[in-house]
Amino acid sequence: NAGVMQNPRHLVRRRGQEARLRCSPMKGHSHVYWYRQLPEEGLKFMVYLQKENIIDESGMPKERFSAEFPKEGPSILRIQQVVRGDSAAYFCASSPLPGGMTDTQYFGPGTRLTVL
Amino acid sequence: DQQVKQNSPSLSVQEGRISILNCDYTNSMFDYFLWYKKYPAEGPTFLISISSIKDKNEDGRFTVFLNKSAKHLSLHIVPSQPGDSAVYFCAASRISSGSARQLTFGSGTQLTVLP
Repeated sequence: NAGVMQNPRHLVRRRGQEARLRCSPMKGHSHVYWYRQLPEEGLKFMVYLQKENIIDESGMPKERFSAEFPKEGPSILRIQQVVRGDSAAYFCASSPLPGGMTDTQYFGPGTRLTVL
Repeated sequence: DQQVKQNSPSLSVQEGRISILNCDYTNSMFDYFLWYKKYPAEGPTFLISISSIKDKNEDGRFTVFLNKSAKHLSLHIVPSQPGDSAVYFCAASRISSGSARQLTFGSGTQLTVLP
């Protein structure tokens, strides 16, 4: 299965700890998007990355959240000093090309973060 | 400010009948629209899309209609099957900074197809 992969699928952290979420895009895709889904809500855009570049982080909270997509390895969404309000499902999506009219994003299974 | 709205949180339909899911948007800059299906504990699965230069796109049992003047789109599923039961998300897209195409999602509609 060459789909978008995310791990871990479930992550439990205590308040104040760090959470690291990983995403490997589909084979041949070099553009990664992160979205967050709070309970009973739709998905909300957080950040868009290409290899070694953050292109659009307009949806990222200003503090505690960061993302990277290194030349080698998966994209990482990092949340420092987690709080209960960070509990959500975090989805990664990938696409082959940016900006094109028919640029469809394909989603991974998500990481469900629970902050105790 | 909710730019993409799905006003029906749930919809029940009899197997074999038509399911119609609706979506409204407010931002006239959106030029590409998508529907995703989502099962519990899974990621959204792409279903069908339409660009703003069209008013209809069909793929098997799924048809998406776009009414730009009303800023409204709908997804028709005919005939509906029990396996279609899932949450359906409408999403809209536009070019933003750095040629990024972030998706703006509605809040979803839970479709239940009754056997």
